[in-house]
Amino acid sequence: DTAVSQTPKYLVTQMGNDKSIKCEQNLGHDTMYWYKQDSKKFLKIMFSYNNKELIINETVPNRFSPKSPDKAHLNLHINSLELGDSAVYFCASSQGINLDGYEQYFGPGTRLTVT
Amino acid sequence: LAKTTQPISMDSYEGQEVNITCSHNNIATNDYITWYQQFPSQGPRFIIQGYKTKVTNEVASLFIPADRKSSTLSLPRVSLSDTAVYYCLVVSNTGFQKLVFGTGTRLLVSP
Repeated sequence: DTAVSQTPKYLVTQMGNDKSIKCEQNLGHDTMYWYKQDSKKFLKIMFSYNNKELIINETVPNRFSPKSPDKAHLNLHINSLELGDSAVYFCASSQGINLDGYEQYFGPGTRLTVT
Repeated sequence: LAKTTQPISMDSYEGQEVNITCSHNNIATNDYITWYQQFPSQGPRFIIQGYKTKVTNEVASLFIPADRKSSTLSLPRVSLSDTAVYYCLVVSNTGFQKLVFGTGTRLLVSP
């Protein structure tokens, strides 16, 4: 009974390609996030959506475009992939956007390798 | 958000109590202290959150002194499965929630 799921789990692609990572949560949460964890294990937020609206965009290149078709989904599309995009991408969700819904539930991650 | 500082790594043995201290000297009045746990190849998982004094749940205890400039995560009787990275974060009670992860503490529990 997965709470936050991501597909694919692994993604290997070449530089210059365009790829998408999908995320779905079945928790009924209103807020979803994308995080990037690099090779040094630093975990950094990229985007946050609340009720399908973008509320946080952390200086991420325009090549990254999140899309939220509904509250349960937040997909990440990446154009013109670069070597530096290789990382593990985590999707997360929370009940709300303030402290009342503070606890974030993370997905299993998608390991992206750009060659 | 206040910056947090915690040890890079800690070692322990099964059955011992582990205390991981985090300093957050610039914590604001509206800030709470939150801890997450991350196992290898998994996403972080919420452990505990507190504002002051002591908070306890089925997994851990969180001790926060009166000045709130530091906090201690206490894991009672650790097992091998507690080997993970533990992140101390400061989150604001106002506005949109944004988790800012530091380097975390890598805890290794040995038999």
